[in-house]
Amino acid sequence: GAVVSQHPSRVICKSGTSVKIECRSLDFQATTMFWYRQFPKQSLMLMATSNEGSKATYEQGVEKDKFLINHASLTLSTLTVTSAHPEDSSFYICSARGLAGGPGIGELFFGEGSRLTVL
Amino acid sequence: AQRVTQPEKLLSVFKGAPVELKCNYSYSGSPELFWYVQYSRQRLQLLLRHISRESIKGFTADLNKGETSFHLKKPFAQEEDSAMYYCALSGTGTYKYIFGTGTRLKVLA
Repeated sequence: GAVVSQHPSRVICKSGTSVKIECRSLDFQATTMFWYRQFPKQSLMLMATSNEGSKATYEQGVEKDKFLINHASLTLSTLTVTSAHPEDSSFYICSARGLAGGPGIGELFFGEGSRLTVL
Repeated sequence: AQRVTQPEKLLSVFKGAPVELKCNYSYSGSPELFWYVQYSRQRLQLLLRHISRESIKGFTADLNKGETSFHLKKPFAQEEDSAMYYCALSGTGTYKYIFGTGTRLKVLA
């Protein structure tokens, strides 16, 4: 099946620094990727929709300047948490949608997630 | 408004008992409905989708447009079914998925 890989799986950083998380579709092309935030034992909160070659679409309440998203290629999207603070500590998950003609048409494939801890 | 509702945060059943995880949705068009599962320390993965009409790991789900529901059912729960289950909706012509808040299923020995 299609694989989505996230890196790093865990990152610890100091307050005020920026952290970049990568999301790659390994064996298929994804024009659209999604970034979620998951709180412990809670649901996924959609943060933004990442579109290849264009600006990301952010959900209401998500700060665009804090969570920078770049989707420069059909296989890579990045989420940069800028000037991170302890309240940004969370589990961030990306997903990519299977395209027509590719694996799992319409299905979402999820990365393994990245746990961010801001000290 | 587009919404997916999973009324139960936690559902505990004994092994061998039937299980039903509820999902209701609100959507103005013709949505596609999914169930995703997250086992402990694993990534989210698709369990089933309504257009496939398949039974996966003994689970089935039928889309009831009249009741706007897509409940997940299994006649005999197994311990390995313990996981977090999310109901999700994808709208026609949109790539955006809406997830429910999830139901944690615990199957007790």
